[in-house]
Amino acid sequence: NAGVTQTPKFQVLKTGQSMTLQCAQDMNHEYMSWYRQDPGMGLRLIHYSVGAGITDQGEVPNGYNVSRSTTEDFPLRLLSAAPSQTSVYFCASRTQVAHGYTFGSGTRLTVV
Amino acid sequence: AQSVSQHNHHVILSEAASLELGCNYSYGGTVNLFWYVQYPGQHLQLLLKYFSGDPLVKGIKGFEAEFIKSKFSFNLRKPSVQWSDTAEYFCAVNGGSSASKIIFGSGTRLSIRP
Repeated sequence: NAGVTQTPKFQVLKTGQSMTLQCAQDMNHEYMSWYRQDPGMGLRLIHYSVGAGITDQGEVPNGYNVSRSTTEDFPLRLLSAAPSQTSVYFCASRTQVAHGYTFGSGTRLTVV
Repeated sequence: AQSVSQHNHHVILSEAASLELGCNYSYGGTVNLFWYVQYPGQHLQLLLKYFSGDPLVKGIKGFEAEFIKSKFSFNLRKPSVQWSDTAEYFCAVNGGSSASKIIFGSGTRLSIRP
């Protein structure tokens, strides 16, 4: 049972480039979310999904897109990377509203 | 919008000292509350959670938390810390109209002197 798998683990982008961070879970969880973690700011919610075909914005959605075509996958797209998007990105999933998240191991993104 | 406040940004303790980390949330309805831990270089792991019932919740590794509804608080405690408890601790909440998303506090870094 792999849990939540994120790829890549590290990425360096140039300003203006686009890319997709991948997230997959094999636990049949309905809820999935993307967070970014910055020093002193904790985890901030970017986008989340309550099931296949349903997504919504979190606290800091600007510059990011998501889609949820299957229960398993929840990719995060950076449209035009900016240095302010340098961060560690975590994907998480859970089965029900009242349950805690299972987190992936994170993607460390640097935008130069 | 719901929010979570963690008052202590960095706490330094000696081994065997008692620990209490503060957490306050803003939402007034029914809430679910969580504490997560992040060890250096690792991802977040769930320590404990509160949904309903007994307001004193026990988690893994000897941690516990008390939900005090009148104070909108969910403080994390441990009677005697160990060097291995060095980590960052995050409080989180979801509830009401925002039940589908979990909001995190800014975290408290705990350093234990051996």
